[in-house]
Amino acid sequence: QVQLVESGGGVVQPGGSVRLSCAASGFTFSGHGMHWVRQAPGKGLEWVAFIRYDGKTQYYADSVKGRFTISRDNSKNTLYLQMNSLRAEDTAVFYCAKDGFGSGHFFEYWGQGDLVTVSS
Amino acid sequence: SYELTQPPSVSVSPGQTARITCSGDTLGDVYTWWYQQKPGQSPVLVIYQDNKRPSGIPERMSGSKSGNTATLTISGAQAMDEADYYCQAWGNNNALFGGGTKVTVL
Repeated sequence: QVQLVESGGGVVQPGGSVRLSCAASGFTFSGHGMHWVRQAPGKGLEWVAFIRYDGKTQYYADSVKGRFTISRDNSKNTLYLQMNSLRAEDTAVFYCAKDGFGSGHFFEYWGQGDLVTVSS
Repeated sequence: SYELTQPPSVSVSPGQTARITCSGDTLGDVYTWWYQQKPGQSPVLVIYQDNKRPSGIPERMSGSKSGNTATLTISGAQAMDEADYYCQAWGNNNALFGGGTKVTVL
């Protein structure tokens, strides 16, 4: 079965950086695109970024463009999100999600999420 | 900016039908997906491509679309259906979620 396990979250100061990881198993990781989606405490879902199966294409939400970088290591079945210049409003649970594609990208499976708190 | 609009909340009595709408200016031109999120849990896909159910999703969950409005219908609602529901679309290399609808079964 598909398993996605995020790690790397915690408390970080405003202006700081953190890198999230997502370990994937139960499917051919190198054959599927992947996403990051976040959810601020008590708020709705917000898509953050997408990376193509081979890592050659990335898309970002305007709110994180230029600050966040999505990447992947297919040899390690791992997805990453490098987050720089963090702000209080970036505080959220970050989910990695396996891409499904059917005339549009969607989120076929989700990890359990990892909390990033931006606070001094 | 483009938005998907959902009602903040919907209440339904057990065994009755709940309908959750999702509207957007060009939603009729793209597919809609629906996710269920229970408290403290990750979202789960319940409807894809407007009206298809993934395996394991009960038949009482159904999706439809008319013009620029998509609808998730829960027929014969049960206590276990109490959750937040989000619609989602993809366009211009971005994913967009609706604001979410809290469904209360009481």
